[in-house]
Amino acid sequence: QVTLKESGPGILQPSQTLSLTCTFSGFSLSTYGMGVGWIRQPSGKGLEWLANIWWDDDKYYNPSLKNRLTISKDTSNNQAFLKITNVDTADTATYYCARIPPPFAYWGQGTLVTVSS
Amino acid sequence: NTVMTQSPTSMFISVGDRVTMNCKASQNVGTNVDWYQQKTGQSPKLLIYGASNRYTGVPDRFTGSGSGTDFTLTISNMQAEDLAVYYCLQYNYNPHTFGAGTKLELK
Repeated sequence: QVTLKESGPGILQPSQTLSLTCTFSGFSLSTYGMGVGWIRQPSGKGLEWLANIWWDDDKYYNPSLKNRLTISKDTSNNQAFLKITNVDTADTATYYCARIPPPFAYWGQGTLVTVSS
Repeated sequence: NTVMTQSPTSMFISVGDRVTMNCKASQNVGTNVDWYQQKTGQSPKLLIYGASNRYTGVPDRFTGSGSGTDFTLTISNMQAEDLAVYYCLQYNYNPHTFGAGTKLELK
């Protein structure tokens, strides 16, 4: 059974770095063809793809976030991570991780992140 | 970026209706389009992948079609449990891009 669960700080201040963790089970990021993506959704709004990481450590980012994103993984502990630097109020959203393939077959429950001074 | 334009923005429907919604890509994305269903307070759920492949466990009243720039999701015999927002996603190009969604509401 595939499950994913996101965790994050809940609230942080503008200019800080947001660190998110996706802890998953039921698959391995060392398996050929597997990947994890991050997607976010401001309250009441649509979905925005942020980044993907693949079994071979290949990484893809949404260029609209202007090099603020870093995705990584810890295969041994079945975790994927996303860091967003220099956050502001526009980064307030529910952040989801999801398994690939196909994009995106399984989703976590999401973690709400609020950026506020 | 590839813009995915969904239409209509919302639809008022009745149980039993046949529902058709569309997604138009700003460039050719082949068949690299998925459809997702998101109910209030829940995570999105994959319905259709590769434009026309129904995902495991998805009822056969959901059908996806299209290729290139024009895609359609059809719900035959609409059920109350299908009330949700539906999103299309193209993953042919980076960045992957979602449509803005089509919201289904009861008449």
